Amino acid sequence: EVQLLESGGALVQPGGSLRLSCSASGFDFSRSAMHWVRQAPGKGLEYISSIGEYSIFYADSVKGRFTISRDDSKSTLYLQMSSLTPDDTAVYYCVKDAPGGYSFDYWGQGTLVSVSS
Amino acid sequence: QTVVTQEPSMTVSPGGTVTLTCASSTGTVTSGHYPNWFQQKPGQAPRTLIYRTSSKHSWTPARFSGSLLGGKAALTLSGVQPDDEAEYFCLLFYGRAQWVFGGGTKLTVL
Repeated sequence: EVQLLESGGALVQPGGSLRLSCSASGFDFSRSAMHWVRQAPGKGLEYISSIGEYSIFYADSVKGRFTISRDDSKSTLYLQMSSLTPDDTAVYYCVKDAPGGYSFDYWGQGTLVSVSS
Repeated sequence: QTVVTQEPSMTVSPGGTVTLTCASSTGTVTSGHYPNWFQQKPGQAPRTLIYRTSSKHSWTPARFSGSLLGGKAALTLSGVQPDDEAEYFCLLFYGRAQWVFGGGTKLTVL
């Protein structure tokens, strides 16, 4: 059974940093592209970042502030966030890409990041 | 900035059929946008229903189908059930892993 478990969400002050983790199981993590998606309270979904075997991409809204990475030996996906603003307040979801790509198939349950003074 | 537009809300009667659409500000939606559709219920994570325009996951009920319709991506629910009341999001691909979500459609079953 595929499982994605995010952690690391917290209350952080504006300008602060935070690292999110997503522990994966039930599939060959090293062969799967992974994504981060966020959802501000009461709002829609927003694509954040993707990481494949050789490629990394970011949405313009987080480029230069967020860094996606992965440790295949630990089957864990990371999102390092810096220079956080209140607009970054959201539930952050880890999402697995399906074999063959171009499909967000399994979602984690999300972790809440709140940016406030 | 690319904008993906969905109907903000729709209402359907139990047993009825409803089609939700997903339009792109760049023009016609094609299979090359690899449309994905997701269902989200309050307090829950999204769940993927449709990928690559019309492919279903093992958990996708047969009453859900995806297609391209009139220059848009479309999600059709046939034989709607009360449990289908949820928010539905589409997602389109614009190259170099640039994905854009639609604003979501709140579907009411009444």
